[in-house]
Amino acid sequence: DGGITQSPKYLFRKEGQNVTLSCEQNLNHDAMYWYRQDPGQGLRLIYYSQIVNDFQKGDIAEGYSVSREKKESFPLTVTSAQKNPTAFYLCASSITTNTEAFFGQGTRLTVV
Amino acid sequence: GESVGLHLPTLSVQEGDNSIINCAYSNSASDYFIWYKQESGKGPQFIIDIRSNMDKRQGQRVTVLLNKTVKHLSLQIAATQPGDSAVYFCAENRLQGAQKLVFGQGTRLTINP
Repeated sequence: DGGITQSPKYLFRKEGQNVTLSCEQNLNHDAMYWYRQDPGQGLRLIYYSQIVNDFQKGDIAEGYSVSREKKESFPLTVTSAQKNPTAFYLCASSITTNTEAFFGQGTRLTVV
Repeated sequence: GESVGLHLPTLSVQEGDNSIINCAYSNSASDYFIWYKQESGKGPQFIIDIRSNMDKRQGQRVTVLLNKTVKHLSLQIAATQPGDSAVYFCAENRLQGAQKLVFGQGTRLTINP
């Protein structure tokens, strides 16, 4: 099946640890995105990538890092520098950055 | 700063009635708009989009209206069903230049039986 796969669905992290969230798409989309969603809130853009080996900071990039070494993969690392990492993280992809984005099912990260 | 926002955070309608969800945007450079539906614990699903050269677009049971004069976007859902209960987000983008989707806060739509 074609789509966007995020893993794991639930993730627990101890304070001070880095953690990497996986996002894979087999839609042959050039653009990929990471959003953060807090309870009762909208989506805020962390990072986006328009093409392989290129990415730009979104509105809340501090404490996060990404890589885009392959077209189908856009992993997000939540570093210990992120002061409030507990949130729902959503990955999306689109054909280009000016077409509709399709979302994965999200990863819920909890810091314990 | 410029942002996309919503007039109402919650909306309740009777099953079978029509619903209208509103969205205000302030970036006059935005020329592409999308409505998403998000069910609890899931990722947003694309509903319908509209470009700024249009003022109305219809889908199955949904219609999006765009009023560029007052920078207002609305989503109309006809004959609502229980499965329409969700949070609805509008998002804006620009077709040229720096391109990134900016989301509003969302409206929770509840369909009452």
